[in-house]
Amino acid sequence: DGGITQSPKYLFRKEGQNVTLSCEQNLNHDAMYWYRQDPGQGLRLIYYSQIVNDFQKGDIAEGYSVSREKKESFPLTVTSAQKNPTAFYLCASSKTSGLEQYFGPGTRLTVT
Amino acid sequence: GENVEQHPSTLSVQEGDSAVIKCTYSDSASNYFPWYKQELGKGPQLIIDIRSNVGEKKDQRIAVTLNKTAKHFSLHITETQPEDSAVYFCAASRGSVGSARQLTFGSGTQLTVLP
Repeated sequence: DGGITQSPKYLFRKEGQNVTLSCEQNLNHDAMYWYRQDPGQGLRLIYYSQIVNDFQKGDIAEGYSVSREKKESFPLTVTSAQKNPTAFYLCASSKTSGLEQYFGPGTRLTVT
Repeated sequence: GENVEQHPSTLSVQEGDSAVIKCTYSDSASNYFPWYKQELGKGPQLIIDIRSNVGEKKDQRIAVTLNKTAKHFSLHITETQPEDSAVYFCAASRGSVGSARQLTFGSGTQLTVLP
């Protein structure tokens, strides 16, 4: 089965802890993206990566970090510097030769 | 940067009727406009998209129209069914094939199809 997997589906952390969200794709897509979704709102771009070992900040990158060591993987770390980390996090990927972005099932992070 | 506004925020229709969701964008350089359907607790699913060189695109019961002059685009769903109930998002982006694109999303429309 080709697709994007995100794990875990639900994640709970205490305030002040860093947490890393996993995103893996086997679609052979070059570009990968991280979005944040808050209740009743649209998606906002956190980071994106066009190729391995390269990534760019999106609109709300503060308090987040990413790495892209492999084409298939684009993990997102939510650091303790992120003031409101509780949200639904969505990973997406696309071919750079195409326009369509395809999304994973998401990880719901709750920080208390 | 780009700003996308989406209306209405909620929409209820009777099964079999049509539903229309409208979006406006601010960046005249935007050239790609996808629509996504998101069911509760799931990731968004791409349902249809349109490029700026096309005025209308249709796929079975779903159609999208684009007015570049007015900078707005709309999603039309005909013969609605209960399984069409979901949150729908519009988005816009600029750029060329060969580069990663930053999508700017609208705030979403909760569509409810009443049986």
